[in-house]
Amino acid sequence: GAGVSQSPSNKVTEKGKDVELRCDPISGHTALYWYRQRLGQGLEFLIYFQGNSAPDKSGLPSDRFSAERTGESVSTLTIQRTQQEDSAVYLCASSSTGGWHHTDTQYFGPGTRLTVL
Amino acid sequence: GQQLNQSPQSMFIQEGEDVSMNCTSSSIFNTWLWYKQDPGEGPVLLIALYKAGELTSNGRLTAQFGITRKDSFLNISASIPSDVGIYFCAGQPVNTDKLIFGTGTRLQVFP
Repeated sequence: GAGVSQSPSNKVTEKGKDVELRCDPISGHTALYWYRQRLGQGLEFLIYFQGNSAPDKSGLPSDRFSAERTGESVSTLTIQRTQQEDSAVYLCASSSTGGWHHTDTQYFGPGTRLTVL
Repeated sequence: GQQLNQSPQSMFIQEGEDVSMNCTSSSIFNTWLWYKQDPGEGPVLLIALYKAGELTSNGRLTAQFGITRKDSFLNISASIPSDVGIYFCAGQPVNTDKLIFGTGTRLQVFP
């Protein structure tokens, strides 16, 4: 597709279960970001992938959160042993930057709304 | 995580009115960005500012990078119903490549 896509669009899970969220970036974009957006809040940076370099994981809130990216394509964000505080919209973005510039235009996906009961 | 102070939190205005919102930070920023987010969608970049004092327009939108490098404002002139949404500022602090996002301004426009 032309834009960033994410799946599922909505996910309801029980506390303690693991979830996997998927992001398909724009083809050819080397940079990929994950953000968390709690209700009524701004975006919190989680993790950043740039090409084949080691990802910047400095925003991950706990060791229950992890993400992978295969080359310059799909990324998955995994949350293990989900807690109610993990309920949020998880947004993925990609950009065509060849360098470590988060200010290069990021194109966002529609997000995955995660609800932990 | 760290967030910017953005105000107002929400605005309810009549179609045709002008709108102003701003963001402030306790630290100096290199870049300021303004995004708009429609319900169920991801944010879309409206305006990017890279120099202190810079004033940039995009149609009815005008944004400025404050001289102190600690603030930015966004103005929308002659608002229309499709301006409804949540507006976020985002900034890049000095010595970091991260973006910090504001808490958003929710704009509602009544005909």
